[in-house]
Amino acid sequence: EIVMTQSPATLSVSPGERATLSCRASQSISNTLAWYQQKPGQAPRLLIYGASTRATGIPARFSGSGSGTEFTLTISSLQSEDFAVYYCQQYKNWPPYTFGQGTKLEIK
Amino acid sequence: EVQLVESGGGVVQPGGSLRLSCAASGFIFDDYGIHWVRQAPGKGLEWVSLISASGESTYYVDSVKGRFTITRDNSKNSLHLQMNRLRAEDTAIYYCARRPPYGDYVDYWGQGTLVTVSS
Repeated sequence: EIVMTQSPATLSVSPGERATLSCRASQSISNTLAWYQQKPGQAPRLLIYGASTRATGIPARFSGSGSGTEFTLTISSLQSEDFAVYYCQQYKNWPPYTFGQGTKLEIK
Repeated sequence: EVQLVESGGGVVQPGGSLRLSCAASGFIFDDYGIHWVRQAPGKGLEWVSLISASGESTYYVDSVKGRFTITRDNSKNSLHLQMNRLRAEDTAIYYCARRPPYGDYVDYWGQGTLVTVSS
C-alpha cells in the first residue's frame, strides 16, 4: 500500500498571500495524483488531477506540480473562500486508493 | 448537472447491517465507475470500494472485505453498498463518488450519508 504524507498539518496564511502545501508518496507514483478541497460540512471537491491539470471550473490561482514522490499544491493569492482542508490522493497502485491525512489551511 | 444523492444511513448496533444507496443523474451512468469513500468524524478520507462501469469488477479496502458488497443497477442509475457485521470503526460519512473513464480519481462527489455504529 502506498502511504501519502501531507505537510504541514496546519498552515496559517494571510489573505492575498501565497500558500504552498506538500504531499509525499512512499514510492514513486509518476503523476497519478489528485488534490481535493473540503470545506466544513461539505463534500470534497476535485481541484487538480494528473498532478498539474486543473479540474473544470477551478480558478487559475490553484496550481499543482511534482512527479514521482514529491508534489505541491500552490494557491497564488489566497481568497477568503480558499480556507479549507486539502487532501492529496494517489491512483497509481490500487486497491487501495490512498489519501493523505490532510492539510488545514487557516486564516492568519 | 451531475448529481449523486446518497441515502440509507442511520444508527445501527455493532454486528448489524445497513444498505446504502446512491442515485445518479445528469450523466450517462453506465459509462462511469463509482467509488464509495468514507470519512470518520473529524478525520480524513478513506477509500472503501469501487465498482466498474459495467458492474463486472469490484474492489474493496481490506478492512471491509467479506463484510461489504458493492452493486449497481444501470437500468435504474443506482448504486448500493450492503454493509454487514458492522463495527464501531465503520462509523463515518459515506460518499458515493464518480470515477471518470480516463482516470482513477474522483471528479464528482455526493453529499454523503452518515452511518453510526453504536450500542
